[in-house]
Amino acid sequence: GESVGLHLPTLSVQEGDNSIINCAYSNSASDYFIWYKQESGKGPQFIIDIRSNMDKRQGQRVTVLLNKTVKHLSLQIAATQPGDSAVYFCAESLKGGAQKLVFGQGTRLTINP
Amino acid sequence: KAGVTQTPRYLIKTRGQQVTLSCSPISGHRSVSWYQQTPGQGLQFLFEYFSETQRNKGNFPGRFSGRQFSNSRSEMNVSTLELGDSALYLCASSSRDRDTEAFFGQGTRLTVV
Repeated sequence: GESVGLHLPTLSVQEGDNSIINCAYSNSASDYFIWYKQESGKGPQFIIDIRSNMDKRQGQRVTVLLNKTVKHLSLQIAATQPGDSAVYFCAESLKGGAQKLVFGQGTRLTINP
Repeated sequence: KAGVTQTPRYLIKTRGQQVTLSCSPISGHRSVSWYQQTPGQGLQFLFEYFSETQRNKGNFPGRFSGRQFSNSRSEMNVSTLELGDSALYLCASSSRDRDTEAFFGQGTRLTVV
């Protein structure tokens, strides 16, 4: 499969547990944030997004939290499943859309049976 | 509805050669962005095209160029290839100006030898 990062931070969790993936973003003027999931051999897949006027947004089994004071973003995945194993990237945008994104380094999530 | 299609999936080129990669966005999408993904630098923005015009550009040398056709299909070209250009090149399409979600293709894996 594709090697998306040889020295990524890693997180291992037990199947069924909750996962929290953290990200520090770089620009205090960024106004739109996205979490992407990338599986081996595939392009990034949209998970959830949040705008800077919000501090929390929930989706199906996922929650994104935004702390603008410390420029921190987190992705919470509830009841993790084997299919959640992937590399997760946060991305920020200055232009309110997804046309020019600045990506974080990524976190490799491994689900243990 | 077909997703974003990138061709070819894999390429091997020799230093000094040039290469052209192709991206067909989702039908109806007018914005196409290109990214380079390497283990060392992660995902980095190359450029974005909207309605045949380059609207944003990342910090890459002039050897990297692109264009967009009237049917929204996009190509990127890299001239005078260097070993460091070996990477996964991803394109993402979105539906309209400042749209919030970008859909990625599977990428083209370029290896320069």
